[in-house]
Parts: sequence; structure tokens; C-alpha cells
Amino acid sequence: GENVEQHPSTLSVQEGDSAVIKCTYSDSASNYFPWYKQELGKRPQLIIDIRSNVGEKKDQRIAVTLNKTAKHFSLHITETQPEDSAVYFCAAISGSNYKLTFGKGTLLTVNP
Amino acid sequence: SAVISQKPSRDICQRGTSLTIQCQVDSQVTMMFWYRQQPGQSLTLIATANQGSEATYESGFVIDKFPISRPNLTFSTLTVSNMSPEDSSIYLCSVLGEGEKLFFGSGTQLSVL
Repeated sequence: GENVEQHPSTLSVQEGDSAVIKCTYSDSASNYFPWYKQELGKRPQLIIDIRSNVGEKKDQRIAVTLNKTAKHFSLHITETQPEDSAVYFCAAISGSNYKLTFGKGTLLTVNP
Repeated sequence: SAVISQKPSRDICQRGTSLTIQCQVDSQVTMMFWYRQQPGQSLTLIATANQGSEATYESGFVIDKFPISRPNLTFSTLTVSNMSPEDSSIYLCSVLGEGEKLFFGSGTQLSVL
């Protein structure tokens, strides 16, 4: 089955800096890659996603890039703010079963 | 996007007992899933809740421990049976919503003593 590796496990940045979280996947048939943000005690919230026919997608301060050849995808957050502090999970879906395989998560701390 | 509610939001249970968690969606959805998030960990898929038929379980999860019902396109239940402290987790339902994206319910935090 699919295996998703996520790095780093923790990331601390100063407010205004950029943050990058990287994930790799194992199944070349994976075709959908969402990113979720989970604040303490809350549900995972979908923040951005990318499908395998696209190399990059941007939504305001958040962007995701996908390299299908290398089987990795990354989340980029620019101009970070304290409210960006949370755990971020990458995930992958292989085929049409919509089953998510998650990475282990990255705890992002944005220091004021 | 769909509003996904879970009940209860949290519970503290004694070992050996069972708890049924409800997931209610405000619109019909084709696919519903149940995930487990152990303390400080990532999310793991338990099963796909199939409408009108038996759920499809992932490796490591069995129907006797986690029976699931899905009587219609807006509702599902997950029961955690014969609980032990190792079952202490957050249980989340997920639905395939608008744009073929997956959204999560509010979660049920379960503590087993």
C-alpha cells in the first residue's frame, strides 16, 4: 500500500518568514495530495490540495508543489503569522477509493 | 461545504464497555470513512462505511471490535467494543464532499480508564 513520509516533524520560524514542509510518497499511482491543518483539539481542516495533472497550486500565502517523477510534494507558507501555528499533515490518495494515507505530521510554531 | 457533526464530542469510559459514535452530515454523501488518531499521532483509516452493506475494514481493524453502520447517505455510526485503555484516541468521520475533497467531522475524544 501507499506510504507517506513527512519532514520535518517540528518546525519553528519567526513571524514573517517562510515555512516549507516536504512529503514523499511510494505509490506511483497516487493522484491526489491534500494538506490538512489541525489546531489543538480541533478537526483537521483542508487548506490546499493538488492533483497529479498539476505541478503547482497557490492560494494566497499557501502553495503546494508536486514532482511526480521524484514522488514528492511540498507545502510552502509565506509571510507566516502566529495563527499559522498548528500541526500540518500531508496525505495521498491512490486510485479512486478516496482512502487517505497520512504523513506523521509537522508541528509548526510561528514565533511573534 | 457539508456540515459534519459527531456525537458525543468526548467521553470517558470504563474498560470492557462499548461506545457508539454518531456521524451526521447535512447533505447526502456517497462516501464516508472512519479514522482514528491516537494521542499525538497521525490519522489512520479504520474503515469505509458502505451504505446498505458491510463496511470495508483496513488491515489491523476488525468488525467485531469496530462495528460500523451506515443506514443512509447522511448518517453513520462507529462502535468501539470491549474497550481497553489502548482504544483511547480521537475518532473522526470523514466524507467525500464538494469538489471530490475529503472533509472531517468534529471528532470524538475517547478516554478509557
